[in-house]
Amino acid sequence: AQTVTQSQPEMSVQEAETVTLSCTYDTSENNYYLFWYKQPPSRQMILVIRQEAYKQQNATENRFSVNFQKAAKSFSLKISDSQLGDTAMYFCAFMNPNTGNQFYFGTGTSLTVIP
Amino acid sequence: DTAVSQTPKYLVTQMGNDKSIKCEQNLGHDTMYWYKQDSKKFLKIMFSYNNKELIINETVPNRFSPKSPDKAHLNLHINSLELGDSAVYFCASSQRGASYEQYFGPGTRLTVT
Repeated sequence: AQTVTQSQPEMSVQEAETVTLSCTYDTSENNYYLFWYKQPPSRQMILVIRQEAYKQQNATENRFSVNFQKAAKSFSLKISDSQLGDTAMYFCAFMNPNTGNQFYFGTGTSLTVIP
Repeated sequence: DTAVSQTPKYLVTQMGNDKSIKCEQNLGHDTMYWYKQDSKKFLKIMFSYNNKELIINETVPNRFSPKSPDKAHLNLHINSLELGDSAVYFCASSQRGASYEQYFGPGTRLTVT
C-alpha cells in the first residue's frame, strides 16, 4: 500500500496571512494523481486541488496552490490570504489509476484561521 | 441536486445488531467506494467497486459487506456490530479515465452502544 505522510497534526494562521501544509508520499509508480481535500466542521469532504504527476506545472485554484516536487515525493499546499472559512482538516491523498483508483489519505492537518 | 447522498446521516444502535447504510450517486460514475473515518479523523478505504470488480481492503472484517443493486448505488451492510465499529462512514464515487476526483457523500455517523 502507498503511504502518505502529513507531519503537521495542527497548524494555525492569522487571517489574511499565508500558510503552507506539508505532505510527502512513498511510491515507485511514475503515473499517479495527488489531491488535497478539505473537511470543515460540517464533515463534508471537499476537493481543494488536484495535481497529475506527469505535469510539471504546479496546480493553482484561486488562493490555493501546490508545490509539487516529484523527485522529492513532496506535495505541499499553500493557502494565501487565509480566510476564516479555511478553518478545517486538510487531507493529502495519493491515487494510482492502475490499482482500482483507490485513494490513500494522510492523517490530516487541522488548520485554524485566527481572526 | 445532491451528487452523492447517504442515508441515514446518524445511526445509533446496540452491539450485535445488523445495520445498513445506503449510498446513491447521480453523477453517472462507474466506481464507488466506502471509507471509514475513525475518532482521530483517519480516513481508510474499505471497498472500491465497479460493475466488474470489487476490491476489498484486507483489514476489513467480513462482517462488512458492500452490496450494489445497480451502478448508482452501493450500500454497506454491517453484521454483528461491535463497539469498535463506531465511526463516520463515507461513500464516494469517481469516473475512471476522467479526472479521477472522488466525490464524497456527507457521511454517516455510526454509534454502537
